[in-house]
Amino acid sequence: GQNIDQPTEMTATEGAIVQINCTYQTSGFNGLFWYQQHAGEAPTFLSYNVLDGLEEKGRFSSFLSRSKGYSYLLLKELQMKDSASYLCAVLDSNYQLIWGAGTKLIIKP
Amino acid sequence: DVKVTQSSRYLVKRTGEKVFLECVQDMDHENMFWYRQDPGLGLRLIYFSYDVKMKEKGDIPEGYSVSREKKERFSLILESASTNQTSMYLCASASGSGSGLNEKLFFGSGTQLSVL
Repeated sequence: GQNIDQPTEMTATEGAIVQINCTYQTSGFNGLFWYQQHAGEAPTFLSYNVLDGLEEKGRFSSFLSRSKGYSYLLLKELQMKDSASYLCAVLDSNYQLIWGAGTKLIIKP
Repeated sequence: DVKVTQSSRYLVKRTGEKVFLECVQDMDHENMFWYRQDPGLGLRLIYFSYDVKMKEKGDIPEGYSVSREKKERFSLILESASTNQTSMYLCASASGSGSGLNEKLFFGSGTQLSVL
């Protein structure tokens, strides 16, 4: 079966760095997405990786290793507004999105 | 900015009622989707549509139907609501055509449906 694993919850301190991991086992691979979802709000797009390596976008970076079935989202200089759930999703060989259950990130002052 | 609007933020319905969830997007996107989101689970695809009057079943279509009479509007219908359909329902849209699903999704704010 197809599976996306990410930690259920993480806690970090304001100003620090946090890495949210996502491992996947899917039928084929056509890219990996990260979305951010604040409580009670719509998910919003953060990043898309289809090639191996690190892509940096301001305070957020996303890394992909296709051979290891692994990605991470790196958040630097954490702010209180970064408290949210982070959703990992993989496009399989049929271009169907397989979603992880999300990681709830709690930022403490 | 793309806007995806869902008609209701909260809905409370009784078992057996017919329920309509409406979604409208304003960016001329071809692709529209309905997901449900439950605690501890990833988003699950109910139905999607690549074009007007076109629909495809997702992973969990049982108990649901959809309608796409106009490009901007995608409706989800619960023919006879049941308690196990209590959930957050998210509508999304994306540009592209055919299987262009490597396009990012734009989501509505969701409808929290409670079936009593």
